[in-house]
Amino acid sequence: QLHLQESDPGLVKPSETLSLTCTVSGGSISSPNYYWVWIRQSPGMRLEWIGSIHYTGNAYYNPSLNSRAAMSVDMSNNLFSLRLYSVTAADTAVYFCARVEVGVSVDYWGQGALVTVSS
Amino acid sequence: DIVMTQTPLSSPVTLGQPASISCRSSQSLVNSDGNTYLSWLQQRPGQPPRLLIYKISNRFSGVPDRFSGSGAGTDFTLTISRVEAEDVGVYYCTQASQFPYTFGQGTRLEIK
Repeated sequence: QLHLQESDPGLVKPSETLSLTCTVSGGSISSPNYYWVWIRQSPGMRLEWIGSIHYTGNAYYNPSLNSRAAMSVDMSNNLFSLRLYSVTAADTAVYFCARVEVGVSVDYWGQGALVTVSS
Repeated sequence: DIVMTQTPLSSPVTLGQPASISCRSSQSLVNSDGNTYLSWLQQRPGQPPRLLIYKISNRFSGVPDRFSGSGAGTDFTLTISRVEAEDVGVYYCTQASQFPYTFGQGTRLEIK
């Protein structure tokens, strides 16, 4: 059974960088059939797609983030990461990592990590 | 971006009765590969979302057959044939036909 677990950065100060990792167990991150994604959920429960990355390094980001997001894959540790630069209070949310099976949908989710941006 | 609009935003339902949720996209979700990447997610209180339906009408592994999806183009429906207590939560439609992938605003299903 695939399991995804987000790290827990907790509190991040405005203008700083939010860093999250997602550790994948029960499956390999270097399968060609999957993309690895970050999705966040605002306090008002809206879901927002942040970006997707393939193990080859191909990545796609939501333009709404104004080029502030960067994702990477670490195949040796079977994890992937998100960095979100220059955060503001509007970036306060629960951040989920998840897997997308090509031709299917987002089929497995982590439990989510609450990130609060505040001084 | 493709805007996904769900109705209703809240749906009180009697146990054992059917329920349906509609989702409309601001443009056609037919992908260049001919598939329509419209999915439905369920989020129970305190839990991450869970995939129920993908590509309009395909039930994901382990999803009870009382859940079904239908539709085409820009109009889609999730139907629960007989609501059970464990179905309480928020339901989202989501599209992956065009990047950035987007979500509906969610429909809260509650028991009367």
